[in-house]
Amino acid sequence: QVQLVESGGGLVKPGGSLRLSCAASGFTFRDFYMVWIREAPGKGLQWVSFISSSGQTTYYADSVKGRFTISRDNAKNSLYLQLNNLRPEDSAVYYCASPPAPAANEYFRHWGQGTQVTVSS
Amino acid sequence: IQMTQSPSSLSASVGDRVVITCRASQNIRTYLNWYQQKPGKAPRLLIYDAYRLESGVPSRFSGSGSGTDFTLTISSLQPEDFATYYCQQSYRSPPLTFGGGTKVEVK
Repeated sequence: QVQLVESGGGLVKPGGSLRLSCAASGFTFRDFYMVWIREAPGKGLQWVSFISSSGQTTYYADSVKGRFTISRDNAKNSLYLQLNNLRPEDSAVYYCASPPAPAANEYFRHWGQGTQVTVSS
Repeated sequence: IQMTQSPSSLSASVGDRVVITCRASQNIRTYLNWYQQKPGKAPRLLIYDAYRLESGVPSRFSGSGSGTDFTLTISSLQPEDFATYYCQQSYRSPPLTFGGGTKVEVK
C-alpha cells in the first residue's frame, strides 16, 4: 500500500533553515508528481509547492518563493523541501501528498502523517 | 482562484443532514474536491471531480455542483463525521487553492 513518511521538522529560530524529507513506498514514485501542503493553526490548508515526476518542473506559493526549494531523488524514492530564511508565519504541519495516478488531476489520495515546523525565537 | 466556504462552522446532531457550500471566484467546471480532516490527522479525500465518491467513503457523503457553486452533503451525520471539511479547486494551478474550512461540531 502507498505510504508517505515525512521527517525533518523541528523548532528553529527566525531566519533559520530546515530540510524536510518524505519517504515514499508502495507505488512507482518516479512516475508521480508530488506536492507539499501545510496546515497552520487557525489558517486551514495551504498548497506550498509542486514538483513534476522528473523533477524538472517546480512551482511555489508566492509566500515561500525564493525561500523554499522542492526537490526529489527518484532513485531513493524521496521528496524534499528545503526551508530557508524561515519566518514565524511558516510555522505549520507540513504534509507531502501524491495524486491517485501519474497523470491525475491535482487532488490527493495519499498523504503523509505530517511533520511540525515551529519558527520562534 | 479564490475558494470561499460557508459556513465556517456549524453545530449539528447525530442524524442531521449537513450541507456545506463552496464557491469559486471563477468558473472551475467540476474541478472541485472535498477533504475531511480530524485533529492531528492528515486530510482524507472524500469527493473528487465535484461528485465522484472516493473509494471507501460512506455513501452518506455526496457532492454536487459545477461552475462556481458546489455543495458537500452528509445525509445523516454520524459520530465519526465531526471534523473539519475543506474544498479544493484543481482547475488551475499554480497555485492550488483550498477553501477556509468548515468545522462540524456537536450541537
